Amino acid sequence: EVQLVESGGGSVQPGRSLRLSCATAGFTFDDHAMHWVRQAPGKGLEWVSGIDWNSGSIAYAESVKGRFTISRDSAKTSLYLQMNSLRADDTALYYCVKDRGTIAGGGLDVWGQGTTVTVSS
Amino acid sequence: QSALTQPPSASGSPGQSVTISCTGTSRDVGFYKYVSWYQQHPGKAPKLMIYEVNKRPSGVPDRFSGSKSGNTASLTVSGLQAEDEAEYYCSSYGGSNNLLFGGGTKLTVL
Repeated sequence: EVQLVESGGGSVQPGRSLRLSCATAGFTFDDHAMHWVRQAPGKGLEWVSGIDWNSGSIAYAESVKGRFTISRDSAKTSLYLQMNSLRADDTALYYCVKDRGTIAGGGLDVWGQGTTVTVSS
Repeated sequence: QSALTQPPSASGSPGQSVTISCTGTSRDVGFYKYVSWYQQHPGKAPKLMIYEVNKRPSGVPDRFSGSKSGNTASLTVSGLQAEDEAEYYCSSYGGSNNLLFGGGTKLTVL
């Protein structure tokens, strides 16, 4: 069974950092691009960042560019999101998501249950 | 403001068909064949319903279909059922490993 399990969320003050992790299982990790997608309370989906199968292509939404860093570890079959300089509008449920393809665009076919990030003073 | 434009709501009676639109630009929806649709029930993670404009993942009923014309993609749900009531999001590849989402459409089964 394909599984994505996020961890690392929590409550932090503005300006602080958090690192999200996503442990994966049940598929060939190196054959797929991976993404982080977030959903603020009561709002729609927002793509945050994506990384292709070999970390050769990485992209970020304008709203997080320069503050967030996505990475992946093939040996641990895990995806990460380092979030720095957090702001109140980063408050959301963060989903780890598997792409059908080796690069972005093939369709996001497996979603984790999400980890909640709350940024508040 | 979302990158892709969807109507905020849509509705239909059981058994009817409903179509949800998703409008982008010539740099995303109009250029790439990589348009996807997602269904999200309250409190649940989104589910992939359509990928690459009109392909259905295994297990998705053939009542769900996708199409594209120019800069606008569409999701059609035929033979509406009560369990189809949910939020639907479109997504398009935007180049350079970027993805774009629409703002979502709440589908109500009357």
